[in-house]
Amino acid sequence: DTGVSQNPRHKITKRGQNVTFRCDPISEHNRLYWYRQTLGQGPEFLTYFQNEAQLEKSRLLSDRFSAERPKGSFSTLEIQRTEQGDSAMYLCASSLSESSYGYTFGSGTRLTVV
Amino acid sequence: AQSVTQLDSQVPVFEEAPVELRCNYSSSVSVYLFWYVQYPNQGLQLLLKYLSGSTLVESINGFEAEFNKSQTSFHLRKPSVHISDTAEYFCAVTRSSNDYKLSFGAGTTVTVRA
Repeated sequence: DTGVSQNPRHKITKRGQNVTFRCDPISEHNRLYWYRQTLGQGPEFLTYFQNEAQLEKSRLLSDRFSAERPKGSFSTLEIQRTEQGDSAMYLCASSLSESSYGYTFGSGTRLTVV
Repeated sequence: AQSVTQLDSQVPVFEEAPVELRCNYSSSVSVYLFWYVQYPNQGLQLLLKYLSGSTLVESINGFEAEFNKSQTSFHLRKPSVHISDTAEYFCAVTRSSNDYKLSFGAGTTVTVRA
């Protein structure tokens, strides 16, 4: 068990470009979450999957954001037409559905939009 | 909806001194409470949690937190800190009714000095 893996660790992109991040959860975990953390703030919930089904999306997730979890394994988070306000740390976490809320977080992908 | 307030953004402390990090929450329903720690360049790690039972919960590295329902607080304490405790600490809450979304506070940065 190597924990939750996120790639890339860092991404610098020009405004208007599209970016995609990947999260590989712990293999037996059926729940996967995406959070966003901006400087000086705690993580904010973006979206959540149970297996391959995306069950909820925060209103923070504009139409430019899309997340997928094909086959209930890894997940991708895509941001289209990036804006400077998208600069943040994007965190992925996974858990078992009856885990007493024992999330395991990845180290995050830091996005900088210039 | 739940919300979390961490009253101190920065806490400098000398090695072997005690530390208390304050956390207050607001919620109209029963909640579960958590403290997460984030060391530099690492992901969030669960430090301790309160789900039910004894209101005093402890971690393996000497931290403890007490759930106080009447004061809606979940303060984190350690009687004697080490340099290695330098990190950012986040308080988080979720509804106890099989919820999955964590609401985080803004975080408290603890800097331990020799």
